[in-house]
Amino acid sequence: KQEVTQIPAALSVPEGENLVLNCSFTDSAIYNLQWFRQDPGKGLTSLLLIQSSQREQTSGRLNASLDKSSGRSTLYIAASQPGDSATYLCAVTSGGSYIPTFGRGTSLIVHP
Amino acid sequence: KAGVTQTPRYLIKTRGQQVTLSCSPISGHRSVSWYQQTPGQGLQFLFEYFSETQRNKGNFPGRFSGRQFSNSRSEMNVSTLELGDSALYLCASSRGTEGLETQYFGPGTRLLVL
Repeated sequence: KQEVTQIPAALSVPEGENLVLNCSFTDSAIYNLQWFRQDPGKGLTSLLLIQSSQREQTSGRLNASLDKSSGRSTLYIAASQPGDSATYLCAVTSGGSYIPTFGRGTSLIVHP
Repeated sequence: KAGVTQTPRYLIKTRGQQVTLSCSPISGHRSVSWYQQTPGQGLQFLFEYFSETQRNKGNFPGRFSGRQFSNSRSEMNVSTLELGDSALYLCASSRGTEGLETQYFGPGTRLLVL
């Protein structure tokens, strides 16, 4: 059974810092890994989708990497802004089923 | 292009009642998935419908059911509500190629069971 862990659970940083969020998974036979952000009381917004054959994806200030052999993904946020404050979740879709498994998320606060 | 819409946005029910939630996917999307999000369990997959057929199912009791219509709109039903069913229910749509696509989420329906 796939298990997804996100560390840290919460993070508070000053504006302008570069930061890294971590996601680890136990079963490396994955189809893809996706990063989402969720604002309080809202739905999820897709940030980046990495297919199993890819090593990284970039969108603006965001860069996500995937290392299947070690069961890890990182989300790098450059030059953080207060508007980046949200909960960031990663979801892994594994081989054998197409049911995504979500981590519990990292709650990020970027203060001015 | 309009996003995923869910109705109603908020619901208050009492134990033993049943509830039906609705989800309209993005135009052209044929897959609709439902999730339950609670502080205790996080975000958990309920089921996925594709072309009016349930294609994947999570580990929830039979009180949770769903269906999809020919226009891809989907409904989720929970019968005999329990206090533990209080949660944010999210639906997500995609074009339908399993394991390869981004899912687009709606804003959710917040259900409170008293």
